[in-house]
Amino acid sequence: AQSVTQLGSHVSVSEGALVLLRCNYSSSVPPYLFWYVQYPNQGLQLLLKYTSAATLVKGINGFEAEFKKSETSFHLTKPSAHMSDAAEYFCAVSPGGTSYGKLTFGQGTILTVHP
Amino acid sequence: DAGVIQSPRHEVTEMGQEVTLRCKPISGHDYLFWYRQTMMRGLELLIYFNNNVPIDDSGMPEDRFSAKMPNASFSTLKIQPSEPRDSAVYFCASSRRQGGITEAFFGQGTRLTVV
Repeated sequence: AQSVTQLGSHVSVSEGALVLLRCNYSSSVPPYLFWYVQYPNQGLQLLLKYTSAATLVKGINGFEAEFKKSETSFHLTKPSAHMSDAAEYFCAVSPGGTSYGKLTFGQGTILTVHP
Repeated sequence: DAGVIQSPRHEVTEMGQEVTLRCKPISGHDYLFWYRQTMMRGLELLIYFNNNVPIDDSGMPEDRFSAKMPNASFSTLKIQPSEPRDSAVYFCASSRRQGGITEAFFGQGTRLTVV
């Protein structure tokens, strides 16, 4: 069984500030981990994924995440926030090796970016 | 590639009516997933298909919900009879098994309102 916990349902940053969105997971098998972004009234778009290769994963729009097995974490970061980053972000986990979209999602974190 | 196409984008129906949501996956993808998004429960997997065959429908909430995939390019999610608590955004996603993990591509969603 898998589960995901996103710490903080709302995060607010200033434009140009560091973005840090937290995600912890629980998995009985080696996991695959994902971050998706959802803009208002849109579907989910993949930002990045971890599939047991490099632990530091780089994604689109300047985002990256680091897989830390000892901490069961997969936090999402971006060095400098942009207004266009305002959206809801979802961390998701799937059973490694067998999943092709069977995802368990966290509750989401709404990112607000202030000018 | 047009992406995953869902129709309708919005649906308003009266309680007790039958509702059919439609999905066209990305050509060549052999996995199709139906997710539901609500404020209370977040994003949850309802059912998924592999090569048009339902693999796991454990997320389907009740017998009022049914899903079919008559061919590789079309799937439906039906609710009969609909109830106000079925109001949610329903997402269809597809993915492909290609040398390991591939991410799920999501449609724009159907926002269902049952009054």
